[in-house]
Order: sequence, then structure tokens, then C-alpha cells
Amino acid sequence: KNEVEQSPQNLTAQEGEFITINCSYSVGISALHWLQQHPGGGIVSLFMLSSGKKKHGRLIATINIQEKHSSLHITASHPRDSAVYICAVPPYSGGGADGLTFGKGTHLIIQP
Amino acid sequence: NAGVTQTPKFRVLKTGQSMTLLCAQDMNHEYMYWYRQDPGMGLRLIHYSVGEGTTAKGEVPDGYNVSRLKKQNFLLGLESAAPSQTSVYFCASRSGGEQFFGPGTRLTVL
Repeated sequence: KNEVEQSPQNLTAQEGEFITINCSYSVGISALHWLQQHPGGGIVSLFMLSSGKKKHGRLIATINIQEKHSSLHITASHPRDSAVYICAVPPYSGGGADGLTFGKGTHLIIQP
Repeated sequence: NAGVTQTPKFRVLKTGQSMTLLCAQDMNHEYMYWYRQDPGMGLRLIHYSVGEGTTAKGEVPDGYNVSRLKKQNFLLGLESAAPSQTSVYFCASRSGGEQFFGPGTRLTVL
């Protein structure tokens, strides 16, 4: 079964800084998910990626399938980016029809 | 589209009481999931369904039952609630790999 490790667990930065959150997993997968959970509790999907890089606004996600590693970057960070960022992968190699295995999340605070 | 909705949003139970959490989705998704989220731990899968009339156990199924009588609804039942089931419960449905989450239900068992 896949094991997911995220780092750092907590990150406080100043507005405008470049942010990097890392995720490592143990079993080969078809796709990795990055999720965002705001203080109100709701969870939204940011990216699902299986290779290379994806960009959405100031968010960039990369994945290295061979090294079983992914990173989430935030450029020009803003206080509204403050949230918990969660990495998730299928529990076994495959498409993940049987749910996801989640990291413990990275709690990001961006100070003005 | 409302997306994924959950009822209720909050609930307090006494030990031994029973209750049902309702998850509804209007996106015609085949796959639906129930997760729980506890402090210091990642979300964990309780049960899931790959289509109407089907259910399967996830990572932490003990103490819970589920039913998927209609494609759009996935019910999570607690027959005899225990304090260890105090948690935030999230429902999700899946389309093409991406999961869409409900707003969560915060359950406290006293």
C-alpha cells in the first residue's frame, strides 16, 4: 500500500515569497493529486497529474514518476493562499477507483 | 449544479446512538467515497462504491455501514456511535480520476 510523505508539515512565509511543498510516495501510480483545504474546511482539487508539469495561475505542480516525487509551487504568494495543501495518490498501483491515500498535509500561512 | 452535498453539517451524538450521514451528487458520477479526517492524520477511506448497488470496504470500515441504493446518493451509517468516531466526515465523487468533495460533516460523539 502506498505511503505518502509531505514536507514541510508547517510553513510560514511573507507575502510575495516563492513557496515549495514536497510530496513523496512509495508505490508507482497512474496519477497524483494536489488538494487545497481552506480554514473553513472545504477541500478542492488543484491538480491531477501523471507526468511533467501543470500550471494554473500562480500554482505550478511537477511530478517525477521515476523518483516517486512531486512538488507544488506557489509564485508571488498572497495571504489568501493560506490553507492546508494535501498530496494524494491511489493506494495501489492503478487508477485509484478504490479511493486515495492522503498525506498529512502542509499547513501554509502567508503573512502580509 | 450543486456538486456534492452532505447532510447534516454538524451533529452531536451520545455513545450508543445511531445516525445516518447522507451524501448526494448531481454529476452522474459512478464512484463515490466516504473519508474521515482526524487531527494529525491524513484523510482515511472508510467505504466506497463503484456504482449503484455496490459497496466496498476501505482502510477504516469498522463501526460503519454504507448503502448506495440510488446512483446519486451514498449513505454512511453509524449503528452504535463511539467517541472514537468523533471526526469530520467527507464524501467525494469521482469523474475521470478527479475527486470532488462535499463540504464535510463534523460529528462529535460524547
